[in-house]
Amino acid sequence: NAGVTQTPKFQVLKTGQSMTLQCAQDMNHNSMYWYRQDPGMGLRLIYYSASEGTTDKGEVPNGYNVSRLNKREFSLRLESAAPSQTSVYFCASSSRVGHEKLFFGSGTQLSVL
Amino acid sequence: EDQVTQSPEALRLQEGESSSLNCSYTVSGLRGLFWYRQDPGKGPEFLFTLYSAGEEKEKERLKATLTKKESFLHITAPKPEDSATYLCAVQAGTTDSWGKLQFGAGTQVVVTP
Repeated sequence: NAGVTQTPKFQVLKTGQSMTLQCAQDMNHNSMYWYRQDPGMGLRLIYYSASEGTTDKGEVPNGYNVSRLNKREFSLRLESAAPSQTSVYFCASSSRVGHEKLFFGSGTQLSVL
Repeated sequence: EDQVTQSPEALRLQEGESSSLNCSYTVSGLRGLFWYRQDPGKGPEFLFTLYSAGEEKEKERLKATLTKKESFLHITAPKPEDSATYLCAVQAGTTDSWGKLQFGAGTQVVVTP
């Protein structure tokens, strides 16, 4: 079982460039999440999708957009990358919102120069 | 505002030397407190959920406990493979908080042979 798969694993962008982080889960989970992790700050929720067709803002949504493409896939887009978006990004899934036993992917290390 | 503080930031143990990690929290009506383990370069892995004061959960050398203000993760007779960063997270009891975990910054544990 692959669990939660994220691509790419590493990415370097220049300020102002755009990119999409991809995430897919094979556990038939209803809910999916995007977090960023910065040193000393812990994981912070960017956006989540309680179920297919819905998305909601988390703690730090500015500068990001998301798409819940289908039940399996949840993408995160940076339209115009900024150095402040340099971080490690994690996608996660859970059986449903309210059951926050999260299953995480292995992360994407993003550097914005 | 929900807040989670973990201490110490880092902990170095000899193999077999038991210790405890602390997670203190302020939240509007706790729905659940979660412990995750994170290895370098990987996503967090779920360990425990605690729901009410007095509850305890155990897994191998780890035991998590919960009071109204804090949670402890006790590591008994640790082995080098217990080296990891341990993350604590809380979920508030209001339905608009479902899907939103508030994470602490973590405690990095190193166990030396």
